[in-house]
Parts: sequence; C-alpha cells; structure tokens
Amino acid sequence: NAGVTQTPKFRVLKTGQSMTLLCAQDMNHEYMYWYRQDPGMGLRLIHYSVGEGTTAKGEVPDGYNVSRLKKQNFLLGLESAAPSQTSVYFCASSSSGPTDTQYFGPGTRLTVL
Amino acid sequence: GQSLEQPSEVTAVEGAIVQINCTYQTSGFYGLSWYQQHDGGAPTFLSYNGLDGLEETGRFSSFLSRSDSYGYLLLQELQMKDSASYFCAVRRTTDSWGKFQFGAGTQVVVTP
Repeated sequence: NAGVTQTPKFRVLKTGQSMTLLCAQDMNHEYMYWYRQDPGMGLRLIHYSVGEGTTAKGEVPDGYNVSRLKKQNFLLGLESAAPSQTSVYFCASSSSGPTDTQYFGPGTRLTVL
Repeated sequence: GQSLEQPSEVTAVEGAIVQINCTYQTSGFYGLSWYQQHDGGAPTFLSYNGLDGLEETGRFSSFLSRSDSYGYLLLQELQMKDSASYFCAVRRTTDSWGKFQFGAGTQVVVTP
C-alpha cells in the first residue's frame, strides 16, 4: 500500500513555463485535494475533488487547473508559472468517513525563477 | 470569512506538558482536526473532535468546546521527537463537503 504518491518531488521552472503535478492514491478514496504551503501560512486549499470527473475551487485557485479523469489520480496544472507560485505543493485524499482524516503525499517543492 | 487562530510557536522542555489552542470564528463546522508536520515532511493526522469534549490518544489529547469557539491539543510527557508544527483544521457546514481550512500552524520546540 503506497498511500498517496506525488510526482515529481522537486522542480525548477522559468517564468511562463507550464507543468503538471501528478498525485496518485491507492486507498480508493473519493476525495482528493491540492494544497500549497508557504512559510508561516499553513496549508491553503487550491482545488479539490469529491469524486471522479468532478473538481471544485478552493481558497487560492487562480493560476491553477486540475483534472480528475480517474478516481485514483488528481492532476494539478500550472499553465504559465509565476514566481508567486514558488511553494511546496501537497496532495491529500480522504474517504467519506466522519473523522475528516486526510492522508497526505510527500510534497513537491516547486521553484519558479 | 472565517479564520483559525493558533499561537505561532511554543517552547517547552522534555517531559513537560504543552497546550496548543485553536480559536475560530465560523458559524458551523463538522469537527476540529489536528495534524502534525515535521520539518520537510508531510502532515499526518493526529486527532478529530466531532463532538464537544476530550479525545485521548496516548500522550496526545484534543478538546473541543463549540460554545466557546475553542479547541486545543494537549501534548503530554514531551519527547524530542514531538518537535514539529501542529495544525488545526475544520470543514465548514456552509461549504461543500470536502473543503477544508487549516490554521497557520504552531511550531513546538522541545528542548533537553
């Protein structure tokens, strides 16, 4: 059981470049999330999905797009990277149970120059 | 809007007890969760309070009082490995299922 995995672990982009972050989970969870974490600001929700084929905006969605074509995968795209998107990105998943437990991936450290 | 407020840092010695408070301004939520994150690592789930009262899991306990808009995480018999950041989080009833909000986190520093 790998849990939640993220690809890649590190990436450096130039301003204006695009990239896709991949998140995969093997726990058959319905819900998946993308967060960004910046120093002193905790975790901020970018987008989330409550099931295959559905996505919704979180707290800070601008500049990002997502897709959930398969239940186990949740992709985060940056169409035109900006230095303000330098951050650590975490993916998480959860079941529909009552305890709100989210399982996080190891994170992707992204630097935009 | 709503926010979750936590102290930014708490320092304590090994063996001591630390209480991390989380106060919030939101009209309704399903429950209060706590997560631990070590430097460079991913957040991991610690506890959940769906109802008012105390939940105990080993050395860690969590408490919720909806009437006081307040919760806390209690770390007992502190160990060096407890040095980490701790986040409270809620899922509001006014948002669609699945939309979580986290506090900014409390850095706990345990000294010998």
